[in-house]
Amino acid sequence: DAGITQSPRHKVTETGTPVTLRCHQTENHRYMYWYRQDPGHGLRLIHYSYGVKDTDKGEVSDGYSVSRSKTEDFLLTLESATSSQTSVYFCAATPEGVSMNTEAFFGQGTRLTVV
Amino acid sequence: RKEVEQDPGPFNVPEGATVAFNCTYSNSASQSFFWYRQDCRKEPKLLMSVYSSGNEDGRFTAQLNRASQYISLLIRDSKLSDSATYLCVVNVGASKIIFGSGTRLSIRP
Repeated sequence: DAGITQSPRHKVTETGTPVTLRCHQTENHRYMYWYRQDPGHGLRLIHYSYGVKDTDKGEVSDGYSVSRSKTEDFLLTLESATSSQTSVYFCAATPEGVSMNTEAFFGQGTRLTVV
Repeated sequence: RKEVEQDPGPFNVPEGATVAFNCTYSNSASQSFFWYRQDCRKEPKLLMSVYSSGNEDGRFTAQLNRASQYISLLIRDSKLSDSATYLCVVNVGASKIIFGSGTRLSIRP
């Protein structure tokens, strides 16, 4: 257990509302990631962070923003939720980037439904 | 073209069979390679890293072919508990981890 928790675990929200998902880690990992997982697409990278206040876009970043004001917290915000953002969201963390011996530890996922 | 592509599956094999998955990646500068396992409605977990010389962990063997830009996973003597989705994972930059779409494996008694 790498001490990564996501909240909430489940959420139903209406189209057009803002939503924030939280990822919290207790291991002081430097790198954190947000993915979404959809049938037929696997896990797709939304945004990632390589340190406090340092973030960059992934392959599906449109409609999402992130913030990392503390090492332990990485927030994902949907400014105005759309039905296409219904998905399972996973947060992950790695100690120091990705090397041969680096394992990415995942949270248990957040199931978001936009109606 | 996706950065990481996998066999679509699903694979449905009998217990005791040998099964192999392949995965191709497009970025020749990729440095690290992994196989993750994901059980239904659970988070992915590391199965094994993939080394240039190939590596084995019990019934699992991973191979890397840099020239052709693919990695493979071989599972021997498959067990019912091997049923899961297997994700090919590639580091395509300093800190970007890219996942394949996964291959679903189902082992039947």
